[in-house]
Amino acid sequence: GQSLEQPSEVTAVEGAIVQINCTYQTSGFYGLSWYQQHDGGAPTFLSYNALDGLEETGRFSSFLSRSDSYGYLLLQELQMKDSASYFCAVRDSGYSTLTFGKGTMLLVSP
Amino acid sequence: ETGVTQTPRHLVMGMTNKKSLKCEQHLGHNAMYWYKQSAKKPLELMFVYNFKEQTENNSVPSRFSPECPNSSHLFLHLHTLQPEDSALYLCASSQGAGGDYNEQFFGPGTRLTVL
Repeated sequence: GQSLEQPSEVTAVEGAIVQINCTYQTSGFYGLSWYQQHDGGAPTFLSYNALDGLEETGRFSSFLSRSDSYGYLLLQELQMKDSASYFCAVRDSGYSTLTFGKGTMLLVSP
Repeated sequence: ETGVTQTPRHLVMGMTNKKSLKCEQHLGHNAMYWYKQSAKKPLELMFVYNFKEQTENNSVPSRFSPECPNSSHLFLHLHTLQPEDSALYLCASSQGAGGDYNEQFFGPGTRLTVL
């Protein structure tokens, strides 16, 4: 079966750096994606890694290690508006369909 | 309207009712998706349509019936639902569903409560 594991909750303070880990076990693997969802809002795309290594986009970076079936999302210079749920999702076929993790709720405090 | 819109935003229905959820995307995409989001559970993919053809049905009970009349519109027809079907139903679209990876754009969802 397919399974993705990520912490249920992470807390941090403004200005800090936080890393949200994701490990996966899937029958196929084409890439790892990250989505952000604010309470009551729609999930929004953050990143997609198909190859090993670090991808940086502004304050957010995403890392993938295919050999370890592991990835993480790194958020720097945290702001209050970063408080949200963050989902990792595996693209497990040649299609764009995704299998999602349960999500990590990030709480940023002043 | 821009992006992906969904109506209604909230719906309360009895187990014997029939209702429909509507999704419209204004992005010129060719693939559309229905997801179910329940508390403390991952987003569950329900259906995928690519160029109006259903390409995936993720073992969804027949009380959920999708319809995709064109690439811009997607419906989810509901009948004789159960209380455990109460959830947030999210629609998403992407440029395509195959080939290179295409990020999915989500609508705001319909919060469904089944009494």
